[in-house]
Parts: sequence; structure tokens; C-alpha cells
Amino acid sequence: DGGITQSPKYLFRKEGQNVTLSCEQNLNHDAMYWYRQDPGQGLRLIYYSQIVNDFQKGDIAEGYSVSREKKESFPLTVTSAQKNPTAFYLCASSTLTPTEGYTFGSGTRLTVV
Amino acid sequence: GQNIDQPTEMTATEGAIVQINCTYQTSGFNGLFWYQQHAGEAPTFLSYNVLDGLEEKGRFSSFLSRSKGYSYLLLKELQMKDSASYLCALWGTGNTPLVFGKGTRLSVIA
Repeated sequence: DGGITQSPKYLFRKEGQNVTLSCEQNLNHDAMYWYRQDPGQGLRLIYYSQIVNDFQKGDIAEGYSVSREKKESFPLTVTSAQKNPTAFYLCASSTLTPTEGYTFGSGTRLTVV
Repeated sequence: GQNIDQPTEMTATEGAIVQINCTYQTSGFNGLFWYQQHAGEAPTFLSYNVLDGLEEKGRFSSFLSRSKGYSYLLLKELQMKDSASYLCALWGTGNTPLVFGKGTRLSVIA
């Protein structure tokens, strides 16, 4: 079955450490996205990519980095420069013209202590 | 930019009908999506409106009026499992990413 997988589901890190969140899809989608969700804030776009080896900043890219070396994979690194990293992170994928919407992963809840 | 407004919370009774509104300001867009999200889970696709009018899909319907900058999601025969957040999202022009509203948390009570 095709889908999009995020791992891990829960992640705890100490302040000052970088952490990488995994996102893999086997839907043959060209576009992939990372959103952050905080209570009462809805989904805010961090980065997105529409082709391998290329990606664009979203509205809240500061303190984050991504790579797109393969079509199937779009990992997100939360760096120590991100001031408030504790959040629910959602990865999504779609065709370039997403008339059927995005397919979301199940999310990673990151807690920085 | 795009600005999307939704009520923060709503409560409705099991078996009833509820309408969740979404208003937006944008210079242009391809279409409007509605997603359902249960607490701690991923959003799931409900509907996509491109043209003005009502799109019906089982117990859920979605309406769009481009001239009024307005959409709504209509849920009929409410069930307890419909308790969730409902997200309105705009797909802007070109291949820009979806922009999401903050969501409406719906509580269905007996």
C-alpha cells in the first residue's frame, strides 16, 4: 500500500541538540512539505520541495534545514537555532497540482527539554 | 498574502446539522480544501472546491462563493466520531503550497 511514513512518532531531545525527523513516501509524489502545528496556530509551512535537489523556504524556516536527495525522502533537521522547537511536525506529499489534496504522515511530536 | 478565518470552537448535538464557516482574503487562488483532524493525528482530506456552489459527499458537503470570499463545511447527522478539528486551506495561484486556517474544533455532545 502506498503511503507516507514519519518517524519517530515521539522524540525527546535536550536543548541545544540538533535532531532530524524522517519522512518517506512511496506514492511517487513530486512535491513534499513540512508543516509545524502548535495549539491554536493551525499548520504553518516550514519548507517544501517540488523536485529532487531543490527546496524552498516556507513562512517559518528559521532554525530548520531540509534536503531532498531522493524523490521519496524529505528529512527535516531542527537545529539548535530554533528557539521554540517543541511542537507537532507534519510531513505531507502531493502531485504538483494537488487537486486531490495532500497526503499527510502521522506526525512527529518533538519535545525539547 | 492570504488571510483565512475560522471560528475557534463549536459545539453541536449528536444527530444534528452543523455548519463550519471559513472566510478568506486573497488576490487569487486555484481552489479551497477542507480537512478533518482528530487530536494527535494527521489531517485527512474531506473536500476540494474549485467552482462556486455546493459539493456533496455523503454526510459532508462543502460550499464555495468566490465573490463573497466564503466557504462552509456542512456536517449532517452528526456522530460522536465527528468530534475533531476542521481545517480550511487555500491553494493559491500556480503551484504554491496550501495555506491553512487555524482550524475549528468541533465537539459533538449527546
